[in-house]
Amino acid sequence: DQQVKQNSPSLSVQEGRISILNCDYTNSMFDYFLWYKKYPAEGPTFLISISSIKDKNEDGRFTVFLNKSAKHLSLHIVPSQPGDSAVYFCAGRAYSGAGSYQLTFGKGTKLSVIP
Amino acid sequence: ETGVTQTPRHLVMGMTNKKSLKCEQHLGHNAMYWYKQSAKKPLELMFVYSLEERVENNSVPSRFSPECPNSSHLFLHLHTLQPEDSALYLCASSMQGVAYNEQFFGPGTRLTVL
Repeated sequence: DQQVKQNSPSLSVQEGRISILNCDYTNSMFDYFLWYKKYPAEGPTFLISISSIKDKNEDGRFTVFLNKSAKHLSLHIVPSQPGDSAVYFCAGRAYSGAGSYQLTFGKGTKLSVIP
Repeated sequence: ETGVTQTPRHLVMGMTNKKSLKCEQHLGHNAMYWYKQSAKKPLELMFVYSLEERVENNSVPSRFSPECPNSSHLFLHLHTLQPEDSALYLCASSMQGVAYNEQFFGPGTRLTVL
């Protein structure tokens, strides 16, 4: 059972337009949600996060929205740039005991920004 | 060196070989993780070490054996692997016990089992 779902494997957007990446989750115990970005041949890098008690977090061109009642979050990138082309992973964080937290990841969405 | 490093970056091995993957973090973190990324699948958490003690083992086959000699180093010992074990193996670290503990990832080891 996938606790974090990214139902769009890929997304293409024109440079300068908005990119919207979606993520759905089922685990109500997640207390934070994170977005990671991954380029080929590199490990994922942290992009932005949101606490489960917030509904929006903004950092420059990146904004994450959380709709807790729908168990849905989205990442908005505006304006999109060619350098944003990468695979984006959504993850939920849950406490797993003994002071330890774990992340559960979605399958990722490959974003292509077309110049 | 900064961040999280992994060696080797690429590894090809036969099913009867024994090899080890190495991870080192230079961030002063106290937790380290091994993940497996197979094609078209989410990142799968394999092992978690917090304060050098293993706190999670997500039903990983015994042909994968982790070792965490100190808070900066993590190994994944491999023996008698199967071709379906071919994947990208990612190491990550974080600081447990703080309000928010984002994980930092290494570049991964691309493993091919023949």
